[in-house]
Amino acid sequence: SQTIHQWPATLVQPVGSPLSLECTVEGTSNPNLYWYRQAAGRGLQLLFYSIGIDQISSEVPQNLSASRPQDRQFILSSKKLLLSDSGFYLCAWVTGRSARYTFGSGTRLTVV
Amino acid sequence: GENVEQHPSTLSVQEGDSAVIKCTYSDSASNYFPWYKQELGKGPQLIIDIRSNVGEKKDQRIAVTLNKTAKHFSLHITETQPEDSAVYFCAASRNTGNQFYFGTGTSLTVIP
Repeated sequence: SQTIHQWPATLVQPVGSPLSLECTVEGTSNPNLYWYRQAAGRGLQLLFYSIGIDQISSEVPQNLSASRPQDRQFILSSKKLLLSDSGFYLCAWVTGRSARYTFGSGTRLTVV
Repeated sequence: GENVEQHPSTLSVQEGDSAVIKCTYSDSASNYFPWYKQELGKGPQLIIDIRSNVGEKKDQRIAVTLNKTAKHFSLHITETQPEDSAVYFCAASRNTGNQFYFGTGTSLTVIP
């Protein structure tokens, strides 16, 4: 079956510290992968998307970066976190056959 | 690019009443319109979707209607229950591009 794993579920990090959030999918190959951020009470903001290994597109300039070292692995990183990086981060994937987005369970990041 | 607008941003209904959430889109090439339900602290989950070759789709208490001419689609929830309380997002995409554009969300509260 097709599943998506995202971790950690919650994270509290000090300002200036690095960040690494990981997302992996199982049961599919060559998915399109996405990172979204959701501020409290707000909508979904697309941060990055990837159509293949090492192919990353950024939607908005920011303090974050993304990488896709393997077909089913998508990583969100930062070298130095800002307070404004706090939010709920969601990974999602979609394949061409069904064109249906599937979201991970999310990571609640609080920068203090 | 595509622009999806969603209304209302908040909605309160009495248990047993119906709830309607409306979205409009701008790109006439969009042909896939999913709806997601997000419970507190969780990732959005697909609840129903509709493609542009269909005008209406129903799944138990949930239905979605699509008006391609007017470029709007709506989510209808009948006989609402407290467990329907959540944030609902609409989205639009061109099937081939897999780029999804989300509405800003509707926070639905069902009052027992």
